[in-house]
Amino acid sequence: EPEVTQTPSHQVTQMGQEVILRCVPISNHLYFYWYRQILGQKVEFLVSFYNNEISEKSEIFDDQFSVERPDGSNFTLKIRSTKLEDSAMYFCASSEMLVDTEAFFGQGTRLTVV
Amino acid sequence: DAKTTQPNSMESNEEEPVHLPCNHSTISGTDYIHWYRQLPSQGPEYVIHGLTSNVNNRMASLAIAEDRKSSTLILHRATLRDAAVYYCIDGGATNKLIFGTGTLLAVQP
Repeated sequence: EPEVTQTPSHQVTQMGQEVILRCVPISNHLYFYWYRQILGQKVEFLVSFYNNEISEKSEIFDDQFSVERPDGSNFTLKIRSTKLEDSAMYFCASSEMLVDTEAFFGQGTRLTVV
Repeated sequence: DAKTTQPNSMESNEEEPVHLPCNHSTISGTDYIHWYRQLPSQGPEYVIHGLTSNVNNRMASLAIAEDRKSSTLILHRATLRDAAVYYCIDGGATNKLIFGTGTLLAVQP
């Protein structure tokens, strides 16, 4: 069964450093997403991406965050200057269509900011 | 914020059916009803979705009320592996799933 893969599984970084979280969505999917989940809290939508541009973003997704599809397979989330409160699980997801379809989620990257 | 309401937790016995309810008080006519689940230490996993008619797949069944203000996810024979947080979500598109706190399902052997 096709799956979304994320690397690394765990990343520890110092406050103020830049981090890049990587995702390989399912190959024929056109829509890509990032979500995060702070420990013990809800899964929160961050951003959706289609046709090489952001289609929707949440209030959480401020100027510190950016997304990119640098080549035909990877989809990345960059946090420019990490804060302690950025510590969370980050999930990448992808879907084939926008409506009447399912989103496939990766296993997540645990980001710890120290 | 999430637009749906679900019980915080439910308990079931292994190999018995489980009915997980959800209220969709603000659902609009074009909103799909999605169910996802999250097993411990894993990412969310799609379970099922529908618009108006009841739906079945290999994982579960989805019963949608005629007025679409409520839905029920049915696991026909719960297994220990079904212990997870189950989320019902309504929305017009897959591109922005708004997760609530979900229902924590415990399955007893």
